[in-house]
Amino acid sequence: EVQLVESGGGWVQPGRSLRLSCAASGFTFDDYAMHWVRQAPGKGLEWVSGISWNSGNFGYADSVKGRFTISRDNAKNSLYLQMNSLRPEDTALYYCAKAKWAAVAGTLDVFDIWGQGTMVTVSS
Amino acid sequence: EIVMTQSPATLSVSPGERATLSCRASQSVSSDLAWYQQKPGQAPRLLIYGASTRATGIPARFSGSGSGTEFSLTISSLQSEDFAVYYCQQYKNWLPYTFGQGTKLEIK
Repeated sequence: EVQLVESGGGWVQPGRSLRLSCAASGFTFDDYAMHWVRQAPGKGLEWVSGISWNSGNFGYADSVKGRFTISRDNAKNSLYLQMNSLRPEDTALYYCAKAKWAAVAGTLDVFDIWGQGTMVTVSS
Repeated sequence: EIVMTQSPATLSVSPGERATLSCRASQSVSSDLAWYQQKPGQAPRLLIYGASTRATGIPARFSGSGSGTEFSLTISSLQSEDFAVYYCQQYKNWLPYTFGQGTKLEIK
């Protein structure tokens, strides 16, 4: 079964850091680009970041650029999101999502598999 | 950034009837447009990509159309399980990929 399982969310104070993980199974992880998409409570979907199969290409939304870092470990079938200098507006459910075809991030990424998400709450 | 605008925000339709949801892009995205369905407490599910191609396992009552800046998702005969929030997403230009704000399809 194709599956993505996120972990690492929780409550954190503004300015602190958190690292999210996404464990993939049921497909050849290093054949695909991977992404993070978030959803604030009661709000819509916001693309956060994406990374190519070999980590050679990656990108960020302006709202997180300079604060968040995406990475992957193909040997561990895992995707990560290091979140620094967290702000209250980063409070959201963070989904890990697989690109349907693309190995290179930024080339027609449609998200065909999603995890169930991990909740991040930034509050004092 | 390409801005995606969905309308209406909420659509009330009776089971068995037809529903049409709209999505407009602020600039042309060709056919690089996807639709997702999200039910409460669940992750989004890919319905349509390439503006009109159904994803694996999606029933034929779901259809997408459009190109350029104007798109629509039609559900031909609403089933109880179709009441959900629907999002469009452009994947023509990344940095960033953008979603519409969603249309909530509710039971009339």
